[in-house]
Formats: sequence, C-alpha cells, structure tokens
Amino acid sequence: DGGITQSPKYLFRKEGQNVTLSCEQNLNHDAMYWYRQDPGQGLRLIYYSQIVNDFQKGDIAEGYSVSREKKESFPLTVTSAQKNPTAFYLCASSIDKGITLYNEQFFGPGTRLTVL
Amino acid sequence: AQRVTQPEKLLSVFKGAPVELKCNYSYSGSPELFWYVQYSRQRLQLLLRHISRESIKGFTADLNKGETSFHLKKPFAQEEDSAMYYCALRMRTNAGKSTFGDGTTLTVKP
Repeated sequence: DGGITQSPKYLFRKEGQNVTLSCEQNLNHDAMYWYRQDPGQGLRLIYYSQIVNDFQKGDIAEGYSVSREKKESFPLTVTSAQKNPTAFYLCASSIDKGITLYNEQFFGPGTRLTVL
Repeated sequence: AQRVTQPEKLLSVFKGAPVELKCNYSYSGSPELFWYVQYSRQRLQLLLRHISRESIKGFTADLNKGETSFHLKKPFAQEEDSAMYYCALRMRTNAGKSTFGDGTTLTVKP
C-alpha cells in the first residue's frame, strides 16, 4: 500500500482537547475527503476539498475543522466541540476530473480515535 | 437530497450459491455509482463502477435507472468474498460529493 497515508493509526485524547489527524497523498490527486465510520452507520462525510485553499462542509462538519494548504495534505482537527468524537476516521482522495472513469476514491488505512 | 440505501446489514450464503447485495439510491440528477469493498484488515477499495460495465472478481452490477437500483451480483460466491461492501453515489454537480450506504457484511460459509 502507499499513495495515501494516515497517521497515527491509534490516537487517544482526553475530553476537552483538540487533536489533529494527518492525511497525506502522493497520487497527485486534486480532491481529498474525510469520513467518519461508525458501526452500522457506514461512512459519513465530514469535509472535502477539490482544490488547494478551498474546502466544503460535508454532512457532519460540526466540531471538526480542516485546512488544505498543500495539494498533498488535508489534516483534520477534531475539536472539543465535537460531542462524540470516538470513531474510526478515513481519509480519501480522487482525481475528480470531468472524466467519470477516474472519479473513484482511494482510501487511507484510517485512524481510530478514542476519547478517554 | 441524495440518499443510498443498502437494506441488508448482514448477508450470509453458502459457498457456490448466488449472491445479490442490494443498493437503491435517490438522486434527482445523473448519478455515478460505485461499489467499494473492505476485506478484513485491509483498506476500503473500489470493486467496480457502473460506467465501466465491468466484471471484477466475478461480480457485476447493473444500473437500473427506472428502479433506481445498482445491485451487486455474483453467480457463485467464494469464501474469499466475505467482506463489507459499500454502495456509493457520486454527484456530478455539488463538487463531486459522494454519499455512501451503511454497508452490507457478506459472509460466505464453506
């Protein structure tokens, strides 16, 4: 595997602390995404970015923040405002051009965040 | 709003039996549909996409716009097909935002 990496693999946080999850890709993809995966609830979109210095809220953005200063990097900060942050977080990227054939998403290995 | 529904959370079949994982969607535009698979201890990865009309690992899926469905089928299931399967809809508008179903866990018994 390679291409898109996430770190750390496991992360523990005390209540009231902000924490930042890293996502890096060397696939030269324009678009990047953050999802939250909870048991029985599938993947829910937190934030996504199509180009550098631009990003949009997904379906569950409250309590999260992102930045996209470089094409390769899309870090996610879980703030203390997120009421139920314990979850598995997945980062993904895609070429996301007009040609449909290339619009699949490539996923990282995930980060499991536990709030103590 | 767009929505993807996978009605079965769990599906269990015997090896060699046919398998069908259901996916229904609601979307007012022209959808791009995908099936993703997550094998145990592996990353989530693309299985197939509707635009290609391809067969991957013996799986096929046909987009039925009349029934708004994109069911995944395989005539003879194998034990290595046991995994979590997600159906996903990508909108051509709205910056390419994707919506995933809740997933179906397929277990193929020997």
